[in-house]
Amino acid sequence: NAGVTQTPKFQVLKTGQSMTLQCAQDMNHNSMYWYRQDPGMGLRLIYYSASEGTTDKGEVPNGYNVSRLNKREFSLRLESAAPSQTSVYFCASSERGLSSFGPGTRLTVL
Amino acid sequence: GENVEQHPSTLSVQEGDSAVIKCTYSDSASNYFPWYKQELGKRPQLIIDIRSNVGEKKDQRIAVTLNKTAKHFSLHITETQPEDSAVYFCAASISNQGGKLIFGQGTELSVKP
Repeated sequence: NAGVTQTPKFQVLKTGQSMTLQCAQDMNHNSMYWYRQDPGMGLRLIYYSASEGTTDKGEVPNGYNVSRLNKREFSLRLESAAPSQTSVYFCASSERGLSSFGPGTRLTVL
Repeated sequence: GENVEQHPSTLSVQEGDSAVIKCTYSDSASNYFPWYKQELGKRPQLIIDIRSNVGEKKDQRIAVTLNKTAKHFSLHITETQPEDSAVYFCAASISNQGGKLIFGQGTELSVKP
């Protein structure tokens, strides 16, 4: 089992560019999440999907969109990247609350 | 919505001493409280968790206590070792809201040999 995988691992964007972060899990979990991690601020929830076909906003959803493509995949899209979106992005999946995290994507917006 | 406060933000102990990290939460409906350890450049890893129907849980040198009335929970690490050095995060969630975790701000634990 690969667990939770994310691509890419690193990305540099210019302000205004768009990109999609990909996440997949092979644990048959119903719930999936996107978090961002900034120094001194812990992990903040961007969007989550409690089950296939549903998505909901988290604590910091502005500037992001998500798609729950199927039970395995949950993508995060930045339509017009801003320097404030420079961060480390973690995808996670869970069943009965037990969450497993992906390795993270380190994104820099210049 | 839920808010989780974590203290202290940094903690330095001597090897062999105990370390305690405390968290408070705001939503009385929260019923699941995990703790994660994150080493530098790595993903968060679950180390222990507790559900609201118990007051304490122990796993070797790690224990977690929960006080539902006061809405706070704590992580206790005994006989600390240098490899315990990492950032620790508490979190809270409500199981019927998709299991989304709301995290505390993190505690950087340093264990000096």
